[in-house]
Amino acid sequence: EAQVTQNPRYLITVTGKKLTVTCSQNMNHEYMSWYRQDPGLGLRQIYYSMNVEVTDKGDVPEGYKVSRKEKRNFPLILESPSPNQTSLYFCASSLSRGSYGYTFGSGTRLTVV
Amino acid sequence: GQQLNQSPQSMFIQEGEDVSMNCTSSSIFNTWLWYKQDPGEGPVLLIALYKAGELTSNGRLTAQFGITRKDSFLNISASIPSDVGIYFCAGRRDMRFGAGTRLTVKP
Repeated sequence: EAQVTQNPRYLITVTGKKLTVTCSQNMNHEYMSWYRQDPGLGLRQIYYSMNVEVTDKGDVPEGYKVSRKEKRNFPLILESPSPNQTSLYFCASSLSRGSYGYTFGSGTRLTVV
Repeated sequence: GQQLNQSPQSMFIQEGEDVSMNCTSSSIFNTWLWYKQDPGEGPVLLIALYKAGELTSNGRLTAQFGITRKDSFLNISASIPSDVGIYFCAGRRDMRFGAGTRLTVKP
């Protein structure tokens, strides 16, 4: 089944403790992206990647890092999480940046205390 | 910052009623997309619009690409309980998303 898989689905952590949210897609998509969803703000793009070893900042990149060493994986790294990064995170992929439809993962709900 | 204004923010309707929501932008987009997010899941693409004035249907859903290319509308006819969720518009150049319309359908 074609899908985007995120792990974990839920995570509670403490301020300052580094964490990684994994994202993997099995559709051979070139383009991958991370979004955060907050009430009243919709989905805001954090980082995106147009291909292996090519990443770029989205609208809200502060406090996040990403890497794209392989085509299928696009992990989101929070080196020193803070409470304002408590949010619902989605990974998405598409054939290319110009493709009209994204496939989203099921989300990771992160709470930083 | 947010470039898309989506309204209404939320709707509470009775099963069987029709629903309308819209999205406006200060920028011109060359593609408009409508997604639905079921509770606990990621958004799923419902309809994609590519040309100004285009009207596209997907079952009970109908969406239109505004002539000015700065707006789009989504209508749901004869709503059913499984229509519950958050509906997002997205404008294609950089895939900007609206803040979403949360739909509740009372049986």
